[in-house]
Amino acid sequence: GESVGLHLPTLSVQEGDNSIINCAYSNSASDYFIWYKQESGKGPQFIIDIRSNMDKRQGQRVTVLLNKTVKHLSLQIAATQPGDSAVYFCAEKGAMDMRFGAGTRLTVKP
Amino acid sequence: GAGVSQSPRYKVAKRGQDVALRCDPISGHVSLFWYQQALGQGPEFLTYFQNEAQLDKSGLPSDRFFAERPEGSVSTLKIQRTQQEDSAVYLCASSLQGAIGNTIYFGEGSWLTVV
Repeated sequence: GESVGLHLPTLSVQEGDNSIINCAYSNSASDYFIWYKQESGKGPQFIIDIRSNMDKRQGQRVTVLLNKTVKHLSLQIAATQPGDSAVYFCAEKGAMDMRFGAGTRLTVKP
Repeated sequence: GAGVSQSPRYKVAKRGQDVALRCDPISGHVSLFWYQQALGQGPEFLTYFQNEAQLDKSGLPSDRFFAERPEGSVSTLKIQRTQQEDSAVYLCASSLQGAIGNTIYFGEGSWLTVV
C-alpha cells in the first residue's frame, strides 16, 4: 500500500554542523507534508510543512525541500544544536488522516 | 488550556481490564485525531473526528478499540479487554480544520502498559 518512509534510522552530527534528514513517500497524489520533532517522553512537535505546489520552504534554522519527481522530502537543520537531538518524522497528510514514517533519530555531539 | 491535554499520562492495566483515555483538544479545534505509537516506531493512525462525527476509524486495530467525541470537544479512546500488544503511547492531536494547511498539534500522550 501507500507509505511514507525514511532512508536512515539514525543520524549523528557535530554541534554546529548542518543536518539533513531524508524521507521518501510513495503516494504521488499527496499534496501536503509535515515534519515533526519528538523528544523523549513527549508528543510530536510541529516543525515545518510544505504543500506540493512548492519545492522549498524555510523556517527558523530549518528548510524543507520537496522533490515531486522522485517523491522525496528532506529537512535541513542549520547549525545543529544539542537541543535538536530528537526523533524526526515526516508525515503525509491525506483528506482525513495523516500518516507517519518510522522516524530518524538525530544525535548531536558536542 | 493552551495545548492538547491528555489523561492519564501513565496507566498500568492488568490484561483483560478495560481502560479509557481522555483527550481535551485545543479550544475551537474541529478536527481530532488518535494515534498509537509503539516503542521505537512512528505514530500509527487510529481514527479521526470532525466535530462529533467519526469520519475515519480505519486504523482501529480491533473491535476492542472504541473512540467517541459526543459533544465535538473532549474525546475518549476506550480499549476493552486489554492485551499486552496494546501497550503503547496513545497520542491525541487536533487542528482547526481537517483541510490541508492547518497545523496539527499533538498532546504529550497517554502511556499504557498492559501487564
